[in-house]
Amino acid sequence: EDQVTQSPEALRLQEGESSSLNCSYTVSGLRGLFWYRQDPGKGPEFLFTLYSAGEEKEKERLKATLTKKESFLHITAPKPEDSATYLCAVQAGSSASKIIFGSGTRLSIRP
Amino acid sequence: EADIYQTPRYLVIGTGKKITLECSQTMGHDKMYWYQQDPGMELHLIHYSYGVNSTEKGDLSSESTVSRIRTEHFPLTLESARPSHTSQYLCASSQQGPYGYTFGSGTRLTVV
Repeated sequence: EDQVTQSPEALRLQEGESSSLNCSYTVSGLRGLFWYRQDPGKGPEFLFTLYSAGEEKEKERLKATLTKKESFLHITAPKPEDSATYLCAVQAGSSASKIIFGSGTRLSIRP
Repeated sequence: EADIYQTPRYLVIGTGKKITLECSQTMGHDKMYWYQQDPGMELHLIHYSYGVNSTEKGDLSSESTVSRIRTEHFPLTLESARPSHTSQYLCASSQQGPYGYTFGSGTRLTVV
């Protein structure tokens, strides 16, 4: 069964303290892995798509990487405005029309 | 800028009322989706559509119904609202193929 697991469930960092969020997946034929940011009471905002192992994408303080079993979202020198829930999702070849979402990591950055 | 619109943004309604949540997108996407999400909880797929006149139930059982008469429009209807329907409802759309979804801002529904 296709599955996406995110860890940790919650992460509190001091401003400027770099860290990484993990997304482990078990799917039949990965077609794409997606990272989203969600602020409270709003819809998820698309960040990155990764298609194959070894691929990396960057946007400001965020960098997403992909291996055959997991993806990391690295946050470098975070600021309080980076506080949000970060969602990972995968699209598998066995169910190409739907994306499977993880439960998210709630990131809190203290000034 | 990708545009997908949901209305209303907030809705408080009495038990037993019929309601329709609107979702429209201007990107020409064939695929559209409805998700239900309680505060701090996971997204649950309740309906999806591959195109006009195509609708399917999602992974989470829902008493709502949907229709897809036009590509850009994917409304969700609750025939008789109950307090258990209180939640946030998120609409999304995507292109064919392995592309991420574009989400609307959501409708926060409260049934009293």
